[in-house]
Order: sequence, then structure tokens, then C-alpha cells
Amino acid sequence: GQNIDQPTEMTATEGAIVQINCTYQTSGFNGLFWYQQHAGEAPTFLSYNVLDGLEEKGRFSSFLSRSKGYSYLLLKELQMKDSASYLCAAKDSNYQLIWGAGTKLIIKP
Amino acid sequence: SAVISQKPSRDICQRGTSLTIQCQVDSQVTMMFWYRQQPGQSLTLIATANQGSEATYESGFVIDKFPISRPNLTFSTLTVSNMSPEDSSIYLCSVEYGEGTEAFFGQGTRLTVV
Repeated sequence: GQNIDQPTEMTATEGAIVQINCTYQTSGFNGLFWYQQHAGEAPTFLSYNVLDGLEEKGRFSSFLSRSKGYSYLLLKELQMKDSASYLCAAKDSNYQLIWGAGTKLIIKP
Repeated sequence: SAVISQKPSRDICQRGTSLTIQCQVDSQVTMMFWYRQQPGQSLTLIATANQGSEATYESGFVIDKFPISRPNLTFSTLTVSNMSPEDSSIYLCSVEYGEGTEAFFGQGTRLTVV
């Protein structure tokens, strides 16, 4: 079967760095996506990796290792507004998105 | 990016009734999807809305319960029929402009069935 695993919840301190890990098992692979979802709102796109390596976008970076079926989202200089759920999703051979359950990130002052 | 207008944003409905959710996109898009998300859980794909033909439903979802219309490339509706409290959830409309591209979401419809 197809599966995405990510931690349920993480806590970090304002100004610090946090890494949210994601492992995936899909039938074929056509990219790894990270989304941010604030409570009561729709998911918004953060990053996309299809090749191995690190993609940096401001305070957010995402890494992919296809051989390990592994990705992480790195958030630097954490701000209170970064408190949200972070969803990992992979596209399978049919280009269908397979979603993780999300990681709830709690930022403390 | 896409601007997606989804309505209603929330509703409280009596069991046994039906609710139709609308999704309007500001540009033509081939791929349009309907998801369900229960509190604290992952997004579950209900169906792919196909323009000019019947929607493609995922396992566990049937047309009689979740009829979908897609009259053109910018609009779709999802109806939740004969509702029960188990249908209480957030329903999300989503579009993609290509197979290797990201998904964009409407604001979601928070449905409570009493």
C-alpha cells in the first residue's frame, strides 16, 4: 500500500530551527510536496522536490532523498505565525497526491 | 496560482438532508478534485471532477452519496446527500494545472450534521 509517515506533533521555541521529517512509500514517485495549514484554513503550498537535494525558499527549506523515501522541511528563525500543521504529500505513478496526516507545530515564546 | 472561491464556508444541516458545495476557479483548469478532511486527520480524496463526463470516485465513495457536477473548466459542485453525523467534516475543492505541479485549495466548507 501507499503510506506517508510524519510526526503528529512537534514543539519549538520562537527564533529557533525545527526539522519536520517525512517518509513515504508510494507506487512510483512524481514529486514530494509540503503544505502549511493553519487551523480552520485550507492548505497552502510551501515547497516541491522531485530531484534529490535541498531546495531553499527564504526561511523554509525542503530536502529529498528518493533512495531513502525521505524528506524533511526545515524552518529557520521560527515566528509565532509558523504555528500550524505541516502536511507532507507525494505524487505516485498516476500523479495522485498521497497525503500524510500532518505535523502540528507548536511555537513557544 | 489560482483563486478558488468555495461556498458555503460553513453550514449546519439536519440529518437526512443534502448540501451542495460550489467551487469556482478564476481560470480554466483541467484537473479539479474534491477532498474531505476530518479534524486532525489527513486529506482524503473523494473524487476527481471530470469536465463533460462522470466523476472518478475513490474507493469508499459513491456517486449516489456524493454526486459531482463539472459543467465547464472553471466550476464544479459536490453534493453531500442524505447526510448523517458521520458526514461532519471539512470539504475542500482543489485544482492542479499540470501533473507535476502543486495543488491549490479553496477555503473549505466546514459541515456539521446534527
